[in-house]
Amino acid sequence: DGGITQSPKYLFRKEGQNVTLSCEQNLNHDAMYWYRQDPGQGLRLIYYSQIVNDFQKGDIAEGYSVSREKKESFPLTVTSAQKNPTAFYLCASSILGDFGNTIYFGEGSWLTVV
Amino acid sequence: DQQVKQNSPSLSVQEGRISILNCDYTNSMFDYFLWYKKYPAEGPTFLISISSIKDKNEDGRFTVFLNKSAKHLSLHIVPSQPGDSAVYFCAASSSFSGNTPLVFGKGTRLSVIA
Repeated sequence: DGGITQSPKYLFRKEGQNVTLSCEQNLNHDAMYWYRQDPGQGLRLIYYSQIVNDFQKGDIAEGYSVSREKKESFPLTVTSAQKNPTAFYLCASSILGDFGNTIYFGEGSWLTVV
Repeated sequence: DQQVKQNSPSLSVQEGRISILNCDYTNSMFDYFLWYKKYPAEGPTFLISISSIKDKNEDGRFTVFLNKSAKHLSLHIVPSQPGDSAVYFCAASSSFSGNTPLVFGKGTRLSVIA
């Protein structure tokens, strides 16, 4: 099946620990993105990558890091520097069509700091 | 400054009636618009899009209308069904900006009452 796979679905982290969320896509999309959603809030962009070995900060990049070594993979590391890491994290990828950029999302990962 | 605004945080509609979700934008460079539907604890799913060369796009029960002069778009769902209850996000992009991230509104929670 083609799609975007995020893992794990649920993750618990102790304060002070780094954690990495996995995101893999087999859609052959060039661009990939990480968003964060807090309860009752909209989608906030953390990082995005338009091409392999390149990525840009989004609106809330502090305390996060990413890598894009392969087209299919865009892992997100939530570092201990992130003050409020408990949230729902969404990975996405996109294809540029005739009229514009359409983004497709994975199923999301819940991160809880305990 | 919010470039894409969904001014109604929530909307309740009777089953079988029409649901109208609204979205306003401020950036004149936006020329491609999308609607996403999101259930709790799941990733948003792409619903329908419209390019600025059109003023209407229809897909089954879903129709998106675009008023470029007013910088306004709306999503009509007819007839509304209980399974349509979800958060709906409006998003926009410029075809000149390639595969850069979409700009999302904060969402409208639709409740369809049986």
